[in-house]
Amino acid sequence: GNSVTQMEGPVTLSEEAFLTINCTYTATGYPSLFWYVQYPGEGLQLLLKATKADDKGSNKGFEATYRKETTSFHLEKGSVQVSDSAVYFCALSEGSRDDKIIFGKGTRLHILP
Amino acid sequence: GAVVSQHPSRVICKSGTSVKIECRSLDFQATTMFWYRQFPKQSLMLMATSNEGSKATYEQGVEKDKFLINHASLTLSTLTVTSAHPEDSSFYICSASGGTLPEAFFGQGTRLTVV
Repeated sequence: GNSVTQMEGPVTLSEEAFLTINCTYTATGYPSLFWYVQYPGEGLQLLLKATKADDKGSNKGFEATYRKETTSFHLEKGSVQVSDSAVYFCALSEGSRDDKIIFGKGTRLHILP
Repeated sequence: GAVVSQHPSRVICKSGTSVKIECRSLDFQATTMFWYRQFPKQSLMLMATSNEGSKATYEQGVEKDKFLINHASLTLSTLTVTSAHPEDSSFYICSASGGTLPEAFFGQGTRLTVV
């Protein structure tokens, strides 16, 4: 079945450091891929998405590229801020509107000032 | 993007009582809604999938008589936790999908505390 594997946290970085959170997936078809972010005490927000191979999703300085050959969708940011401290979830969907979202376990990110 | 409103954001109830959580899509027709539960410092666990006008499909291990889901219209789904117990205390999040976009949109979540 479909699944998502992402690096375990917590990840602790200093402000302005480079961030990579790894995410790989297994899927039978051609899924859409997402990164969701959950700030402390809040629900989930869509951070970025990519719907086909080689697409790059980007938002708020974060980027992720849909790599079909390596079945990966790693999240990157060149210079993190304290306000980026949150839990990040990699997710996939087969893309049909009724299809459920399958999440990774989440990676907690702490940014130190 | 599309907006999903979940209410209440926090609720405290006594053990043995029932609690209803509402999930509304404000600007699109949500043909499918999902309910998730999140334990502290853990990932999201899908509880059930509901399609408008149909019975919900529950994931394995989720008690359908305890977590009643109703999706009576294209803009509203409700989750009722019946005879709540302290172990039901958790963060519940709904999401809705519909239209042509592949992603789901999430409500703000409900923090349920059963005392």
